[in-house]
Amino acid sequence: ETGVTQTPRHLVMGMTNKKSLKCEQHLGHNAMYWYKQSAKKPLELMFVYSLEERVENNSVPSRFSPECPNSSHLFLHLHTLQPEDSALYLCASSQDKSGLTNTIYFGEGSWLTVV
Amino acid sequence: AQSVAQPEDQVNVAEGNPLTVKCTYSVSGNPYLFWYVQYPNRGLQFLLKYITGDNLVKGSYGFEAEFNKSQTSFHLKKPSALVSDSALYFCAVRDILSGSARQLTFGSGTQLTVLP
Repeated sequence: ETGVTQTPRHLVMGMTNKKSLKCEQHLGHNAMYWYKQSAKKPLELMFVYSLEERVENNSVPSRFSPECPNSSHLFLHLHTLQPEDSALYLCASSQDKSGLTNTIYFGEGSWLTVV
Repeated sequence: AQSVAQPEDQVNVAEGNPLTVKCTYSVSGNPYLFWYVQYPNRGLQFLLKYITGDNLVKGSYGFEAEFNKSQTSFHLKKPSALVSDSALYFCAVRDILSGSARQLTFGSGTQLTVLP
């Protein structure tokens, strides 16, 4: 149990589908993240929310749409994805504070397959 | 810009032997350095971090890492490896002087296999 829960753990979707990934953190943190992990590639930071405000968007295609309704929940809405978007999507959270010494804690990930 | 390199894709070590997983970094200012471990089909688990102070940092599961500023390295070590240590290990760096200071830049990972 990491304190960061992701659902679903596995998702298969067609290229025309709309689906969402959900993340919930039980650590009392105020920042949440989406990362993408593809085979043979380094982890890619997609989005960062701090105090429910999006503070980073690392050139992610618009077919990925994040939503952070409160500091404990984070969604990634998926629409018209491509097969190359198949990957492990990792949610994470941290206590955002000055000096940025905070540790980021990850969930177990959602395996996404686009067919 | 910040970057981190893990020069070895794969490290094999016999159970009971010491292990080292290498990491070097590049930052503009002072680095904050982290190690994470990923077991199969799981997320990343935090092992340890260096912020300031003692260059030898101790973390979870008996792991430790040594910060070497002159060599810009932060190698992960364990005195006696266990088969259960077999996993994918990631080094990460945060540069507080970079434009994207929240971003934790990860290495490409090193697969550690401990042989019984």
